[in-house]
Amino acid sequence: EAGVAQSPRYKIIEKRQSVAFWCNPISGHATLYWYQQILGQGPKLLIQFQNNGVVDDSQLPKDRFSAERLKGVDSTLKIQPAKLEDSAVYLCASSFPFKRTQYFGPGTRLLVL
Amino acid sequence: DAKTTQPNSMESNEEEPVHLPCNHSTISGTDYIHWYRQLPSQGPEYVIHGLTSNVNNRMASLAIAEDRKSSTLILHRATLRDAAVYYCMLYSGAGSYQLTFGKGTKLSVIP
Repeated sequence: EAGVAQSPRYKIIEKRQSVAFWCNPISGHATLYWYQQILGQGPKLLIQFQNNGVVDDSQLPKDRFSAERLKGVDSTLKIQPAKLEDSAVYLCASSFPFKRTQYFGPGTRLLVL
Repeated sequence: DAKTTQPNSMESNEEEPVHLPCNHSTISGTDYIHWYRQLPSQGPEYVIHGLTSNVNNRMASLAIAEDRKSSTLILHRATLRDAAVYYCMLYSGAGSYQLTFGKGTKLSVIP
């Protein structure tokens, strides 16, 4: 069974530029999560989708971050414009509907210079 | 939001049991306790979860205190492959979707 796919794996940008991350969840997983993990810290939930609807985005900095999940499958997380403090690993995870066990992708490591 | 507290680091000798503690004194009655582990440069991996009763699976055991304000992840025989950061996480089961990861415990396994 294929796992959660994420791309790119690494990205280096300058501050004030924009960047987008892509996630393809495990087939059949209706729930999709985006996390930000700063070095040395635990993952911080940014947004959670159930199918293509948002169920929690309380910790998403909406002035610069946006996410969408068209057709309830793939998802894209965008940062515009990026700040230095956005340097982190961005993790995508998915789970079956109403099951809380999450399967994580390998993450995208972002460095903002 | 309910919070979790874990020691920053722990050490264990190979083939010895390891007990990784987590405090979650503000847990609500419907919060599930999850444990994940993360190897360097990888995404977290599910280990185990429970609500009230102790749980066992092929990877580990989860002991939950009677008042549910703390839990302990037990690795019965640590191997070098168990060296990772272990995260305790609370996930609401009451129709909301709130979840909170702790800062994690870095486990070192000594050969």
